Amino acid sequence: QSALTQPASVSGSPGQSITISCAGTSSDIGGYNFVSWYQQHPDKVPKLMIYDVSRRPSGISDRFSGSKSGNTASLTISGLQAEDEADYYCSSYGGTNTLVVFGGGTKLTVL
Amino acid sequence: EVHLVESGGGLVQPGGSLRLSCTASGFTFSSYWMSWVRQAPGKGLEWVANINQGGGERYYMDRGRFTISRDDAKNSLFLQMNSLRAEDTALYYCTREQDGRYFDHWGQGTLVTVSS
Repeated sequence: QSALTQPASVSGSPGQSITISCAGTSSDIGGYNFVSWYQQHPDKVPKLMIYDVSRRPSGISDRFSGSKSGNTASLTISGLQAEDEADYYCSSYGGTNTLVVFGGGTKLTVL
Repeated sequence: EVHLVESGGGLVQPGGSLRLSCTASGFTFSSYWMSWVRQAPGKGLEWVANINQGGGERYYMDRGRFTISRDDAKNSLFLQMNSLRAEDTALYYCTREQDGRYFDHWGQGTLVTVSS
């Protein structure tokens, strides 16, 4: 069982927006602004999409955005494209005991 | 360009040991925290261990069986894995870490299979 809870799957049609939630606790997501999101296409290496809750690395489309409210973080993808179909993982700093925790991953299907 | 190349994976019997290596290039290796993250077949990501600049701080998912180390002179990161179990079977990624906040670069991974 993963430390952070994500829905197993989400889906949307091209052009639509979807949001993936990531639920944690006050010891991880709620306690720090260190949430990150990773995209992983089948048999590929994970790719950083969002860091520090809402910051985008250079080269990442502004269609990807992150937010946090209390103990839950969210990744929103607007203007869905076929290439967005992938697995998405959230992660958070978890303090000096747990240090880093991941969510179980969400499979995004673009219909 | 940042490059991380893992090696050392393979097939090992339960209870056995393995030493993974990661060679880094394209950045000042000694200035960064580094981590190992693993992914079991068909499963999600799991953080394993990390080490700070200089190696004075080390943190583990499961303290005792794994030891992380680094050789800044050789731009290399290591993971010594002992008493391996079937559940350790996974693709092990070497990652560059930003102070526990996120992993901005990943290697291609090296596969560890624990089986008799």
